[in-house]
Amino acid sequence: IQLTQSPSSLSASVGDRVTITCRASQGISSSLAWYQQKPGKAPKLLIYAASTLQTGVPSRFSGSGSGTDFTLTVSSLQPEDFATYYCQQLYNYPLIFGGGTKVEIK
Amino acid sequence: QVQLQESGPGLVKPSETLSLTCTVSGGSISSYYWSWIRQPPGKGLEWIGYINYSGSTNYSPSLKSRVTISVDTSKNQFSLKLTSVTAADTALYYCTRHTWNIGSDYWGQGTLVTVSS
Repeated sequence: IQLTQSPSSLSASVGDRVTITCRASQGISSSLAWYQQKPGKAPKLLIYAASTLQTGVPSRFSGSGSGTDFTLTVSSLQPEDFATYYCQQLYNYPLIFGGGTKVEIK
Repeated sequence: QVQLQESGPGLVKPSETLSLTCTVSGGSISSYYWSWIRQPPGKGLEWIGYINYSGSTNYSPSLKSRVTISVDTSKNQFSLKLTSVTAADTALYYCTRHTWNIGSDYWGQGTLVTVSS
């Protein structure tokens, strides 16, 4: 299975709605997780099972999709959301990650 | 609160074996799966493999011939060995707790391993 994230980077302003896409090369049901990584820090789990918010994650984050196409949406970008985001498929081995999407300040 | 801490040499010579240990605190290792993930400098995440408390493992096919992950439940630790390393193995190595169908919900801070003579 290959995971393709798009875009690889984007520039956005505080308050913007941002959508990141993760496409799987074959169906993976809803077995997808999203992570956020800030510079110098370990990744943090945001969403699992494609759309379930991890405990403590702000509700401005949401995930959707199943099968091959998935999206991560930030409804109103906050300063602390500027980071790199990765998807990971949990459907079968190896548990690969997408290439990442860097969200930068416009 | 579960915490993970990687430990091991930060510098390994080419062709030698990289060995890292992850110590788990705040929870028992005798449940869940425990994984290793690496990140070359400036690049994305690569899943290496995982182990459960009973010793059942699964490895990335690209590394399978060189990787061994083991667990020591008496010490609440699990370990990574990667043989015949090259410069391409230079990376930040993370240990994580992997929950089935959820993903890596707890991460260590990561440890940088450089392969160089």
